[in-house]
Amino acid sequence: DAGVIQSPRHEVTEMGQEVTLRCKPISGHDYLFWYRQTMMRGLELLIYFNNNVPIDDSGMPEDRFSAKMPNASFSTLKIQPSEPRDSAVYFCASSSWDRTSTDTQYFGPGTRLTVL
Amino acid sequence: KQEVTQIPAALSVPEGENLVLNCSFTDSAIYNLQWFRQDPGKGLTSLLLIQSSQREQTSGRLNASLDKSSGRSTLYIAASQPGDSATYLCAVSMEYGNKLVFGAGTILRVKS
Repeated sequence: DAGVIQSPRHEVTEMGQEVTLRCKPISGHDYLFWYRQTMMRGLELLIYFNNNVPIDDSGMPEDRFSAKMPNASFSTLKIQPSEPRDSAVYFCASSSWDRTSTDTQYFGPGTRLTVL
Repeated sequence: KQEVTQIPAALSVPEGENLVLNCSFTDSAIYNLQWFRQDPGKGLTSLLLIQSSQREQTSGRLNASLDKSSGRSTLYIAASQPGDSATYLCAVSMEYGNKLVFGAGTILRVKS
């Protein structure tokens, strides 16, 4: 398996523009997580899905952020409108549940977002 | 609210030394604890996962222990190498499939 795939790897945009980050989880994984990493706040969970259904979005900072998972192999995180304080590295991770699962979360390489 | 603290924030050691990284958490009712490695500009790689019922896990030169009642975990790295230089993150999960709460990390530099 190719692991968790994220695109784009780098995104530079201007304040007020819409930004869409994409994630393809590991095939067969039924949990998907979106995290944000900044120097000030470290790694924080934004939202996670189980079987394509959002379970906990309490980490989403405000209404400008939205996430969808239309099917088991694709998720998006959208910021509209973007602001300079949204600049961060956004990670997607996935995990699987079965009776032998260790519950390890596998992380993608991240998308580095810069909002000017 | 679960809080995870890692000590020290940064560590510099000569090659070959054995070292210990510390992690503490405020709520002992955890489901599991994971140690991750993050290289500059890269994603996170899971090193070891300890279930709440376990006391330790080993992988190669790495050994992680868990004392759930006292809210502590340690990551022991034996015979450190320059390639071990990275940021090491500790994270806890409160229930299966639930979110990870991360510590701020320990930046490790192993000098050759």
